Amino acid sequence: AQTVTQSQPEMSVQEAETVTLSCTYDTSESDYYLFWYKQPPSRQMILVIRQEAYKQQNATENRFSVNFQKAAKSFSLKISDSQLGDAAMYFCAYRIRTSYDKVIFGPGTSLSVIP
Amino acid sequence: EPEVTQTPSHQVTQMGQEVILRCVPISNHLYFYWYRQILGQKVEFLVSFYNNEISEKSEIFDDQFSVERPDGSNFTLKIRSTKLEDSAMYFCASAQDRDYGYTFGSGTRLTVV
Repeated sequence: AQTVTQSQPEMSVQEAETVTLSCTYDTSESDYYLFWYKQPPSRQMILVIRQEAYKQQNATENRFSVNFQKAAKSFSLKISDSQLGDAAMYFCAYRIRTSYDKVIFGPGTSLSVIP
Repeated sequence: EPEVTQTPSHQVTQMGQEVILRCVPISNHLYFYWYRQILGQKVEFLVSFYNNEISEKSEIFDDQFSVERPDGSNFTLKIRSTKLEDSAMYFCASAQDRDYGYTFGSGTRLTVV
């Protein structure tokens, strides 16, 4: 079964501090893409960062970076220098490159940022 | 920055009625999707659409659901006879290259009463 697990339903972080959101996934495929999406209270989902499974180098996008461990099927998101605008629901997701068109989403982690 | 636009933002309908949710994807995108999110639950795939036909659909997307791209700009989701359990936030998304992630719309909250 294709599943994504986010074991932290809720997390909080002090403004300017660093927080890591965890994600594990289950697939027997070797070629896939991993994503983190952010869903603020406005409800629109925004792509935060993307990782190609065949690349060992961890993706980085400004204050957002990932720790991709392919063997462990782990894809955590690190947010550095947290800002109030980072408060949102964060969804981990993946898409298998061949055969499938759909993206599988995890249940989400609700991140609060404390001023 | 280009946006995916969804209308209406909120729709209330009686059980058994037909609803059409509308989306205007980004103009040069080639792949189109509908997802839904029941309140407090995970985002679920409904259907993908490419080259004027459905490329993949989930088990949720039964005969009550249909999609259409009637005029090359709009992308609609029709639910023929709504049920209470269809109440959810429905998101449209589009992509120029599906490997690079989607651009989502702001969603339509559908409430079936």
